[in-house]
Amino acid sequence: GAVVSQHPSWVICKSGTSVKIECRSLDFQATTMFWYRQFPKQSLMLMATSNEGSKATYEQGVEKDKFLINHASLTLSTLTVTSAHPEDSSFYICITRGVRNTEAFFGQGTRLTVV
Amino acid sequence: AQSVTQLDSQVPVFEEAPVELRCNYSSSVSVYLFWYVQYPNQGLQLLLKYLSGSTLVKSINGFEAEFNKSQTSFHLRKPSVHISDTAEYFCAVSGLGTGRRALTFGSGTRLQVQP
Repeated sequence: GAVVSQHPSWVICKSGTSVKIECRSLDFQATTMFWYRQFPKQSLMLMATSNEGSKATYEQGVEKDKFLINHASLTLSTLTVTSAHPEDSSFYICITRGVRNTEAFFGQGTRLTVV
Repeated sequence: AQSVTQLDSQVPVFEEAPVELRCNYSSSVSVYLFWYVQYPNQGLQLLLKYLSGSTLVKSINGFEAEFNKSQTSFHLRKPSVHISDTAEYFCAVSGLGTGRRALTFGSGTRLQVQP
């Protein structure tokens, strides 16, 4: 199956700084990338959907100015957490789908800790 | 829109006992159904999925799930669990058809296998 490489796998940053998370599809044209967030002991919640070459679609309650998504190519989608705060500490994961939605390809996830 | 309900947040069970993790979904359209497993400090791994055909699907490590359309359920079962099955299990659904669709995850069930 397709491989999605997500980096970094973990990051610790100071409050107020920005952090960029990258998801690269290594052997697959990921026209759509889904970004999820998982708080401790909770499920994965969809934050936004990014489509190559167009603006991302954000779920209700997700601040688009805080979570900047860029999907400039078919192989790279990025999520930037701007002015991070401790409450942004979470596990972030990118997921892309096959064209018929029969499969899902997961990034390894990024554990963000804001101190 | 779809939703997934996993009623049991935690399921403690003794080793070699049978287990059932419940999953019910709601959707106005046909769906694909998935079970994912997440071991501590790791990403999600596909356990099994129902796309079409036989309503009973099996994984390589002894788990099975049965799609019940009338009850909108996709419960996960294993006749005899091992300590190594201790993990978080997520049920997920997505729509069919063209256009890449996001997965909707349940809240997860923590399976705790005790010796």
